[in-house]
Amino acid sequence: DAGVIQSPRHEVTEMGQEVTLRCKPISGHNSLFWYRQTMMRGLELLIYFNNNVPIDDSGMPEDRFSAKMPNASFSTLKIQPSEPRDSAVYFCASRPPGGEQYFGPGTRLTVT
Amino acid sequence: DAKTTQPPSMDCAEGRAANLPCNHSTISGNEYVYWYRQIHSQGPQYIIHGLKNNETNEMASLIITEDRKSSTLILPHATLRDTAVYYCIVSPAFLTTSGTYKYIFGTGTRLKVLA
Repeated sequence: DAGVIQSPRHEVTEMGQEVTLRCKPISGHNSLFWYRQTMMRGLELLIYFNNNVPIDDSGMPEDRFSAKMPNASFSTLKIQPSEPRDSAVYFCASRPPGGEQYFGPGTRLTVT
Repeated sequence: DAKTTQPPSMDCAEGRAANLPCNHSTISGNEYVYWYRQIHSQGPQYIIHGLKNNETNEMASLIITEDRKSSTLILPHATLRDTAVYYCIVSPAFLTTSGTYKYIFGTGTRLKVLA
């Protein structure tokens, strides 16, 4: 299995632009998680889905952030408009029923 | 806030056992103890988990106290490649209506293995 796949691995964009991060979970995993990691705030959970349904989005910082999971094999995290304070590494993770989370390699986002 | 407390940093000599403690005094009956580590800026890597019995796998051993309020991760023969931040997390294994299914990461323990 290729593991959790994230794209792009690196993204540099200008303030005000729309950013879309993508995640392909491991086949058979029914839960998907989006995290953000910064030096100041550590690893924070943004939102998670179970069977493609958002369960808890209390970690989404503001309305500029949105996440979707149209099917079991794909999820997106969108930031519109982006701001410099959104610069961080964004991780996606998936989890099978009763199992542990498997993390992707992350997307390093830089907003200038 | 994280439901676990860990020391911020530890050193260990290469080849020696590394014992990483974790306090989770408010753990619920349906919550497991999970351990992950993060090397540099890679995604966190699963190490081991347990409910109440001690567990061992090819990477580590997990010792959980009888009252389940604390645990210790043991790396039996630490190598330089084990230098990482180690996170202890409590979470249910299944999504339930009575508990949160998410991981809440604290600040972890930064383990440095010394040559």
